[in-house]
Amino acid sequence: GAVVSQHPSRVICKSGTSVKIECRSLDFQATTMFWYRQFPKKSLMLMATSNEGSKATYEQGVEKDKFLINHASLTLSTLTVTSAHPEDSSFYICSARRGESEAFFGQGTRLTVV
Amino acid sequence: EDQVTQSPEALRLQEGESSSLNCSYTVSGLRGLFWYRQDPGKGPEFLFTLYSAGEEKEKERLKATLTKKESFLHITAPKPEDSATYLCAAPNTDKLIFGTGTRLQVFP
Repeated sequence: GAVVSQHPSRVICKSGTSVKIECRSLDFQATTMFWYRQFPKKSLMLMATSNEGSKATYEQGVEKDKFLINHASLTLSTLTVTSAHPEDSSFYICSARRGESEAFFGQGTRLTVV
Repeated sequence: EDQVTQSPEALRLQEGESSSLNCSYTVSGLRGLFWYRQDPGKGPEFLFTLYSAGEEKEKERLKATLTKKESFLHITAPKPEDSATYLCAAPNTDKLIFGTGTRLQVFP
């Protein structure tokens, strides 16, 4: 299967600071990338969908000014959690999709805000 | 409303005890049904894509099948290393609609 690399895998930051998470499709060009948040023992919660070169589409209830998404190229998308607070602590996962085929996921990022 | 529902929510099996996981969907104009495996603290790992009713795909002890309304993930003679959460998903325009998953535990 295709490879999607997500970095970092774990990050601890202080409350009020910003954190950037990178998602790269290593061996294919991703027309669409997705960002999810996952709470313990729960399923994936879609936060936003991004297409290369255009603004991300956020799901209802997701603050776009807090979770900044940039899809700069067909192989890179970034999620920046701005002014992070402890309630933003979670497991964040990206995925990349080529056309209408299956999506491939990154390894996830465990964010802890202290 | 497009929906994907998985059952059971949790399944405990003895090693070697075969079983099936269910994924039912109500997505108009289905353009694929995807199965993933997720281990704790990791992103989902792609397993299978099924496109049409009657299609079957196999990988080791796993076999996925598809009908017009549901998909099954059959696990034959499972081993403890098959313990994970299994997710199914169906595309809806440019998004994937995920089920809530089945948490499988296989005991030796």
